Order: sequence, then C-alpha cells, then structure tokens
Amino acid sequence: GENVEQHPSTLSVQEGDSAVIKCTYSDSASNYFPWYKQELGKRPQLIIDIRSNVGEKKDQRIAVTLNKTAKHFSLHITETQPEDSAVYFCAALPAGGTSYGKLTFGQGTILTVHP
Amino acid sequence: GAVVSQHPSRVICKSGTSVKIECRSLDFQATTMFWYRQFPKKSLMLMATSNEGSKATYEQGVEKDKFLINHASLTLSTLTVTSAHPEDSSFYICSASSGRGNEQFFGPGTRLTVL
Repeated sequence: GENVEQHPSTLSVQEGDSAVIKCTYSDSASNYFPWYKQELGKRPQLIIDIRSNVGEKKDQRIAVTLNKTAKHFSLHITETQPEDSAVYFCAALPAGGTSYGKLTFGQGTILTVHP
Repeated sequence: GAVVSQHPSRVICKSGTSVKIECRSLDFQATTMFWYRQFPKKSLMLMATSNEGSKATYEQGVEKDKFLINHASLTLSTLTVTSAHPEDSSFYICSASSGRGNEQFFGPGTRLTVL
C-alpha cells in the first residue's frame, strides 16, 4: 500500500517568513495530492491540492509543487500570519491497486507562526 | 465545497456501552464514505471504507465486530463502537466522496470519551 512521509514534524517561523513542508510517497499509482489544515478539535480543511498531470499550483499565499519522478511534493506558505498556525497534513490518493481511492496521510506538521 | 455533518460532536459513555456515530452528506450523494480515527497529536488513520449498499472494507488491525459500519443510503453512514472501553477513546472523523478517486469531504468529527 501507499506510505507517506512528512517533514518536519514541527516548524516555527516568524510572521512574514515563508514555511515549507515536504512529503514523499511510495506508490507510483498515486495521482492526487491534497494538503489539509487542521485546527485543534476541528475537521481537516482542504487548502490546496495537485494532480499528477501538473508540477505546480498556486493559490494566493499557498503553493504546492510535485515531482513525480522523485515521488515528493511540497507545500509552500509565503508571508505567514499567526492565523496560519495549525497542524498541516499532506496526503496521497492512489488511482489503482489495493489502496485505490484511499487517502494515506502524512504524520502532520505543527506550524507555529510567531507575531 | 460539499457539506458533511457528523453527530454527535461529543459523547461520554461508560465502559461496556455501545455508541453510534452518524455521518451525513447534506448536499451530494456519497457513494463512498470513510471512517478515520485520530489520537491526540497524531495523524488520521483510516479504519474502514464503506460503499452504499455493500459491506464495509476494514483496514488491517481494525476489528469489524468492534466497529460496526452501516452505509444504508447515499447520504448516511453510521459507525457503532460496540462494548466501548477506555482505549476506544479517540476523535472519530468521517469523510464522504461521490466516488473512489474523487475528493473527500470531512465531517466535523466526534470526540468519544469512554470512562
């Protein structure tokens, strides 16, 4: 099945700085890679996603890059704000095989943005 | 995005009792629903996948007789934790999808505490 590794586990930045979170995946059949933001006690909220037919996607201060050959994808947050503080999860969704249709999550990154 | 509700949001029960959690897709037909479990400061772990009208598929290590899943309609799936024990205390989150490989929409989660 799919295995997703996420780093770092914690990330502390100053307001205005950039934050980068990296994930690797193992299943070459994965073709959909969402990123979620989860605040304490709340549901995961989709913040951006990317499909395997593109290498980069941007939405205002958030961007995601995908390297299919190396099987890794990254989340980039620019001009961070205190309200960006949360736990961020990457995930991969295989398009076939035994894990077809099942999201596999990374371990999560606790992002803290200091004012 | 699509709306998924979950009820109850919080439940406290005595050891040995059974607890039912409902997951509803409010504005779309969810052919597939997923149940996750999340421990504090940990990632989401998939417990089972349910397709409307068929038996749920459980992940390795998840007891199907302990966690009963029913997906009787295209808008409702239920998870029943039978004979709950303190180690079953966790945050349970459902998600719904209009089909395998499609985006999943998460419910708000249910905090279960077993005394």
